[in-house]
Amino acid sequence: GAVVSQHPSWVICKSGTSVKIECRSLDFQATTMFWYRQFPKQSLMLMATSNEGSKATYEQGVEKDKFLINHASLTLSTLTVTSAHPEDSSFYICSARDQTGVDNEKLFFGSGTQLSVL
Amino acid sequence: QKEVEQNSGPLSVPEGAIASLNCTYSDRGSQSFFWYRQYSGKSPELIMSIYSNGDKEDGRFTAQLNKASQYVSLLIRDSQPSDSATYLCAAPFSGGYNKLIFGAGTRLAVHP
Repeated sequence: GAVVSQHPSWVICKSGTSVKIECRSLDFQATTMFWYRQFPKQSLMLMATSNEGSKATYEQGVEKDKFLINHASLTLSTLTVTSAHPEDSSFYICSARDQTGVDNEKLFFGSGTQLSVL
Repeated sequence: QKEVEQNSGPLSVPEGAIASLNCTYSDRGSQSFFWYRQYSGKSPELIMSIYSNGDKEDGRFTAQLNKASQYVSLLIRDSQPSDSATYLCAAPFSGGYNKLIFGAGTRLAVHP
């Protein structure tokens, strides 16, 4: 299957600082990537759809000014959590599809980023 | 509201038994369904996808889809302790492949 790389795996930061998470498609190009958030013992909640060369589409209730998404190339999307607070502590996961491959309907996930805000 | 519902469990089965995981969905327009496995602290891993009514087998895993009843299930034969994880059912919004809705997941515990 397609490979999606996410970095960093974990980050600890002070309240009020900003954190950038990178998501790369390693062996395919992705015009669209998806950012999910998962709190402990809960399911994945879609935060936003990242679109290459255009603005991201945010799900209801997700603050676009707080969670900045940039998808500047066909292989890289970034999520920046601005002015992070303890309630932003969560597991953030990116995902993408290889729409040119035989598995073009399948969603592949990065390894996730555990964010802890002190 | 389009939803995917799962029993959160835990589902406890002995090693070697068949584990049966169930999922129901509300959007009749959904055409494709996915089962993911997630170990604690890790990201989800795709196990099975199914698009047509009936059964689809892949090794010890069998996915079953019944569109009339709007349910999809996953059977794990010869369950192993390494199968202990949370299993997530997912379906696309509005029947397309774009965004996936995930169920809350069922925690499976396989005991020796």
